[in-house]
Amino acid sequence: QVQLVQSGAEVKKPGASVKVSCKASEYSFISYDINWVRQAAGQRPEWMGSMNPNRGDRDYAQKFQDRVIMTWDSSTSTAYMELSSLTSDDTAIYFCARGFINIFDIWAQGTKVTVSS
Amino acid sequence: DIVLTQSPGTLSLSPGERATLSCRASQSVTNNYLAWYQQRPGQAPRLLLFGASSRATDIPERFSGRGSGTDFTLIISRLEPEDSAVYYCQQYSSSPTFGQGTKLHIK
Repeated sequence: QVQLVQSGAEVKKPGASVKVSCKASEYSFISYDINWVRQAAGQRPEWMGSMNPNRGDRDYAQKFQDRVIMTWDSSTSTAYMELSSLTSDDTAIYFCARGFINIFDIWAQGTKVTVSS
Repeated sequence: DIVLTQSPGTLSLSPGERATLSCRASQSVTNNYLAWYQQRPGQAPRLLLFGASSRATDIPERFSGRGSGTDFTLIISRLEPEDSAVYYCQQYSSSPTFGQGTKLHIK
């Protein structure tokens, strides 16, 4: 079935970067956006940005503009999200989600990122 | 950014009852670009409705939505135990934002 599967949990020190992968299966990867949404414990989801493999463009939320990079490899149907200059406020579960006009219809299982010294 | 405020914060109902969840936007949501998601503990959100009232694939008819402009409602009729979850609204008429959620507990 249509599925997104993310890489495993990460523990990082403040100031480091983290790169999370998201592999799509059973649909045409270039036909949909991939969005990244994070959720801190007990908090509402927060949209970080999206990428469109067909148009080749990205749309980053202003809050993350300076320290997020979203890339993809169409040959393996895999999207990547790299977040730099991590602080404890970045501790959260990071989700990738398939999107069309920013409706998120398929979600991956999430990747827990912990930032701790 | 459009701020979404959901009420009530928590709702406790019995199986078979009807739940009414509210989502209010700080400014008009154009084209009714409002979605609802269900999130069970330890799981990713699941799309329920989009366009304020259109059900996503495989979502039961018990889930319905209405509203326009700044006021939207999710209605879950004939509650079942598996409906226990947090429900979020999300607008996509501008940079996407989510409400703070309503926690639904089935007694």
